[in-house]
Amino acid sequence: QSALTQPPSASGSPGQSVTISCTGTSSDVGNYNYVSWYQQHPGKAPKLMIYEVNKRPSGVPDRFSGSKSGNTASLTVSGLQAEDEADYYCSSYAGSNNLVFGGGTKLTVL
Amino acid sequence: QVQLVQSGAEVKKPGASVKVSCKASGYSFTSYYLHWVRQAPGQGLEWMVRINPSGGSSSYAQKFQGRVTVTRDPSTSTVYMELSSLRSDDTAVYYCARGGALGYCSGGGCFSFDYWSQGTLVTVSS
Repeated sequence: QSALTQPPSASGSPGQSVTISCTGTSSDVGNYNYVSWYQQHPGKAPKLMIYEVNKRPSGVPDRFSGSKSGNTASLTVSGLQAEDEADYYCSSYAGSNNLVFGGGTKLTVL
Repeated sequence: QVQLVQSGAEVKKPGASVKVSCKASGYSFTSYYLHWVRQAPGQGLEWMVRINPSGGSSSYAQKFQGRVTVTRDPSTSTVYMELSSLRSDDTAVYYCARGGALGYCSGGGCFSFDYWSQGTLVTVSS
């Protein structure tokens, strides 16, 4: 499977909202409601922020939200804070016990 | 608390094999899938394999079939990932991550990772 497509970078000022897209195909994002989003700070392990398109694990601020339309999933970060600056990766189930990740988006808080 | 702790960094020559361990604690080891994900320097995440720690069955990404072997030892709550025929482009940080709960998740629901290890850097260089 090919990697999901994410923009290499995104940015916003503190307090603003930013949306990161994740485009796949009808074989992965478009066919399953199993999209997850991970946050990764430099030198750290990824952290689960969203699963099953729009569900937040406990402890994740409600400033983080997920959605999906067709073959594209999106992560929205509202009320940007300095600590939100990180790399973000989407993943999608691709059937037959396979998973595909996106290439990652570097979020900069200006 | 849930912890996944991996073995230390490795340096290997091309063509060799490497075996990385991941010891789980703080939860029932045989109740959750465990996955391996790698990240090459400056690159994105790549899913490699999943193991059912209870029965030992595994599912592999097509790219790694035949080159990756994953095993587990329930007596020590440890999962092992062995990668053979190493190449320079296998240089990466290898993570183990906890997936869905056996018997509760199904299909893609088993493929979100709520806990991650600290990672193990494997360097392949002649």
